[in-house]
Amino acid sequence: AQSVTQLDSQVPVFEEAPVELRCNYSSSVSVYLFWYVQYPNQGLQLLLKYLSGSTLVKGINGFEAEFNKSQTSFHLRKPSVHISDTAEYFCAVKAYSGGGADGLTFGKGTHLIIQP
Amino acid sequence: DAGVIQSPRHEVTEMGQEVTLRCKPISGHDYLFWYRQTMMRGLELLIYFNNNVPIDDSGMPEDRFSAKMPNASFSTLKIQPSEPRDSAVYFCASSLVVAGGPGELFFGEGSRLTVL
Repeated sequence: AQSVTQLDSQVPVFEEAPVELRCNYSSSVSVYLFWYVQYPNQGLQLLLKYLSGSTLVKGINGFEAEFNKSQTSFHLRKPSVHISDTAEYFCAVKAYSGGGADGLTFGKGTHLIIQP
Repeated sequence: DAGVIQSPRHEVTEMGQEVTLRCKPISGHDYLFWYRQTMMRGLELLIYFNNNVPIDDSGMPEDRFSAKMPNASFSTLKIQPSEPRDSAVYFCASSLVVAGGPGELFFGEGSRLTVL
């Protein structure tokens, strides 16, 4: 089984400052990794995903994440945040099984709070 | 496409009553997932379907919970009888398997259930 740990439940950041949201995972097999964002009263939307290849993955809204296999991490970063980035961010993992679409295992989320 | 459509958006009911949540996935998607979101436990996968067939229901908490997918465009999650601890936001998501790894999950806006 896989598990995901998001180390911070809440991260306050000033507008235009950089931010890093941390994610560590546990799995005995190779995995796919994802970051989803949830705006208030909405469902989750995909920000970016790592399937294979380059360990630096770029997503929407200026976010990027780096897969580090040795540290089993997939931290999310943005060089300059905006008020509109205020949301809940979820890291998720799925075991590589050669195909299929089994459900993702999600972390508990990190609430990103942008302060003016 | 209108995206994944869930109804009702909000449901308030009394303990012991039957609750039925509904989901219309994105047309053409062959996977459908039901998730539950609470503050304490985060996002939990309850059950998922592939081509209308339930594949894994190990996340369904009790026999009080049941899910069906009678056709490719409709699924229900039923709780009978409901209990206060079932209060949560229930999300439906659909996806399409793509080459190279799991497809993106597209989430509905959720059904917020309150059981008094």
